[in-house]
Amino acid sequence: IVLTQSPGTLSLSPGERATLSCRASQSISNSFLAWYQQKPGQAPRLLIYGASSRATGIPDTFSGSGSGTDFTLTISRLEPEDFAVYYCQQYGASPITFGQGTRLEIK
Amino acid sequence: QVQLVESGGGVVQPGRSLRLSCAASGFTFSSYGMHWVRQAPGKGLQWVAVIWYDGGNKFYVDSVEGRFTISRDNSMNTLYLQMNSLRAEDTAVYYCARDPAPIAAGGVYWYFDLWGRGTLVTVSS
Repeated sequence: IVLTQSPGTLSLSPGERATLSCRASQSISNSFLAWYQQKPGQAPRLLIYGASSRATGIPDTFSGSGSGTDFTLTISRLEPEDFAVYYCQQYGASPITFGQGTRLEIK
Repeated sequence: QVQLVESGGGVVQPGRSLRLSCAASGFTFSSYGMHWVRQAPGKGLQWVAVIWYDGGNKFYVDSVEGRFTISRDNSMNTLYLQMNSLRAEDTAVYYCARDPAPIAAGGVYWYFDLWGRGTLVTVSS
């Protein structure tokens, strides 16, 4: 399954709302989709699994939604530490695959 | 604290071998399946291999099947990736990552709830 993330780069200001999209080339079974955040030189961090379940310790400003082929990660109000690269990953079919990433940068 | 620390990366010539290690701490390593995921320079993430909590099952992405071997030593809380017949396209940062599935699940969930910072492997003559 090919995952296409859009936009490639998103330029926003702290306090704004961010909406990141992940579209799959075929339906993802059981909504087995995860989102990760990666900052330069750091380990990726799990944000969302099962399309909409927040991982432990993730603030409720992060939310995931979607099913089938269209999924969305929403950050309701951007904090300075939220500017990073975000990846989606499907684990509903073998091989598991990642999107190419969305870079969220400060405007 | 709960963490994974990779080591063993470096520069290696095409066709040669390298072994990566991942030291786990702060959690019961023997209770979790573990993965290797890689990221080529400027590229996205690619899953490489998985091993069940007890080493009973192992799976690989097609491009490394027969060349890479994942293994673990639960007494040492360490995950390994033996990489043979290395190619230029294997150049990447290699991350070890934990699968959150409990033993009772009987397998892995195929996503990753804890990652290391990675180790860089460069295959070049």
